[in-house]
Amino acid sequence: SAVISQKPSRDICQRGTSLTIQCQVDSQVTMMFWYRQQPGQSLTLIATANQGSEATYESGFVIDKFPISRPNLTFSTLTVSNMSPEDSSIYLCSVEDPDGGANVLTFGAGSRLTVL
Amino acid sequence: DQQVKQNSPSLSVQEGRISILNCDYTNSMFDYFLWYKKYPAEGPTFLISISSIKDKNEDGRFTVFLNKSAKHLSLHIVPSQPGDSAVYFCAASASTGYALNFGKGTSLLVTP
Repeated sequence: SAVISQKPSRDICQRGTSLTIQCQVDSQVTMMFWYRQQPGQSLTLIATANQGSEATYESGFVIDKFPISRPNLTFSTLTVSNMSPEDSSIYLCSVEDPDGGANVLTFGAGSRLTVL
Repeated sequence: DQQVKQNSPSLSVQEGRISILNCDYTNSMFDYFLWYKKYPAEGPTFLISISSIKDKNEDGRFTVFLNKSAKHLSLHIVPSQPGDSAVYFCAASASTGYALNFGKGTSLLVTP
């Protein structure tokens, strides 16, 4: 399985600021996925990022709030813009796991953001 | 709208006994189901999966059962070990892509 490194692992942010989360994979992957887990909630898919094209956002998530970059096959960033306390969540990067079988994803350790 | 539901937020089981974690889903388009395990400060890790053409899949101490008519699946861990203490997420997807729909998770505590 791929190894995923996410930075930062955690951060405390002020309301109204923006933060960029980085996701580095140790192998080339076609699709990368960004998930969010709000406190006490399930993991929710924010968007799918393919290299060379614009990210595809799920219902309820927009590019202005969560801009994503995918400059190459091993790296992606997710920015949480104009943060409010409701954005306090764990943000997880994931990639397809070809060794794990159909529909299996490998996840990074996540970035825990607290917005004051 | 929560399409995958894990109605038990927590479960406590004695070491050596069976742990049964339950999951219900509402979307009949789901045809692939997965269980992930998550330790604190780590990302979820894949545990076991089952496709809708099967009703059981076994991997060592872990068995997943699928009841399509009831839109219900369960994960059995036997015998349970203290190292199994973690949050378990049920996830489902339609065969068309990798987008996974997750439940809220069940926190399993296995006591010695």
